[in-house]
Amino acid sequence: GAGVSQTPSNKVTEKGKYVELRCDPISGHTALYWYRQSLGQGPEFLIYFQGTGAADDSGLPNDRFFAVRPEGSVSTLKIQRTERGDSAVYLCASSFRTSGGAGDTQYFGPGTRLTVL
Amino acid sequence: AQTVTQSQPEMSVQEAETVTLSCTYDTSESNYYLFWYKQPPSRQMILVIRQEAYKQQNATENRFSVNFQKAAKSFSLKISDSQLGDTAMYFCAFMKRGGATNKLIFGTGTLLAVQP
Repeated sequence: GAGVSQTPSNKVTEKGKYVELRCDPISGHTALYWYRQSLGQGPEFLIYFQGTGAADDSGLPNDRFFAVRPEGSVSTLKIQRTERGDSAVYLCASSFRTSGGAGDTQYFGPGTRLTVL
Repeated sequence: AQTVTQSQPEMSVQEAETVTLSCTYDTSESNYYLFWYKQPPSRQMILVIRQEAYKQQNATENRFSVNFQKAAKSFSLKISDSQLGDTAMYFCAFMKRGGATNKLIFGTGTLLAVQP
């Protein structure tokens, strides 16, 4: 694709509900990242995939959050039992690889704004 | 752990003028990248410029250039001939090179307003 796409653009849910956020990376990019951006802050790392496996999930705040990338392309971030504090913009980024070269530059999608009422 | 600090929450500049956004960082790593990203109201993070720490020459991209001072751990962004479309939030970011995870560590951002 031309760029990283994320759906939905906006998601409003009620406290306690389950939500799924989708990311479709740039074609050919093997590395995929999720970040969370709270109001007035810079993005914070959540999880990194290299291919199908989660190579680093150290940024996930707790076990209500998890993400999958079953075929090494599209990824879904899943949040269980949502809380008001989960309200934020969730950004996805992709890159070619993580070998320390120019291909490491991350390209971002437009994000999903999650609002938990 | 690495940290990135942007001490200017907001900046304003007149159209066609030059503005400099500040960024400092703290790391014990010697091999890393630094980035400036732009985030307009559309939320899309757009790469502005990238600097490899091992390169002494400052990166430039058209009207955008950086002043990279490795010893001082400073990485400022200069925007020349400012345009209305430059109005956005600007984030400075750090990436360790060659690590297991190329996660970006961001500052808190500087909101730049270009005035007509």
